[in-house]
Amino acid sequence: DAKTTQPPSMDCAEGRAANLPCNHSTISGNEYVYWYRQIHSQGPQYIIHGLKNNETNEMASLIITEDRKSSTLILPHATLRDTAVYYCIVRVPGGGSARQLTFGSGTQLTVLP
Amino acid sequence: KAGVTQTPRYLIKTRGQQVTLSCSPISGHRSVSWYQQTPGQGLQFLFEYFSETQRNKGNFPGRFSGRQFSNSRSEMNVSTLELGDSALYLCASSLRPSTGSYNSPLHFGNGTRLTVT
Repeated sequence: DAKTTQPPSMDCAEGRAANLPCNHSTISGNEYVYWYRQIHSQGPQYIIHGLKNNETNEMASLIITEDRKSSTLILPHATLRDTAVYYCIVRVPGGGSARQLTFGSGTQLTVLP
Repeated sequence: KAGVTQTPRYLIKTRGQQVTLSCSPISGHRSVSWYQQTPGQGLQFLFEYFSETQRNKGNFPGRFSGRQFSNSRSEMNVSTLELGDSALYLCASSLRPSTGSYNSPLHFGNGTRLTVT
């Protein structure tokens, strides 16, 4: 699985959009970009995933650059409950081997009132 | 739709004991994976089950074992507990197994916090 790089922390004002970047310059053609978040003392929560097109769901939008070397997760109107560690993962679905989902250090997003 | 349910939420055991953790996946999900999360090692894959068969296994000693029942519920067992087994144990379910070209995401439970004293 390709390595990802994320800033260790970010702040965002409540009600504003939170834009979380992720670099994955070694991504290969069949690897998807997944985003999860983990609120303290809870299990990771799936947010969104995509291959090359921009994706949107009820939680967030995922913007993937044309060369696929980076992506941005957008929370359109951040709330205090969005304070969490956000993980960007790139991997081949299944990959024919152990589902060794590996979370890096992630980005600690703090939404400020 | 109910999420992934893990029981118990917290557990305290002493060294040498064994423990069984339970996971009920989201209805309709047939794949269940187990992970260990610690501050130092992060999230580490334990094993995955699909249709009552272990599909994949991570690099953990044989003291860690699991099984899956016909209703997709899963249990993991840790025997001869060690202090280093203290961790948050997470279960995740998905529609499809890890093998193949499926991209179904994982849905995690809130975990069982195991403390070994």
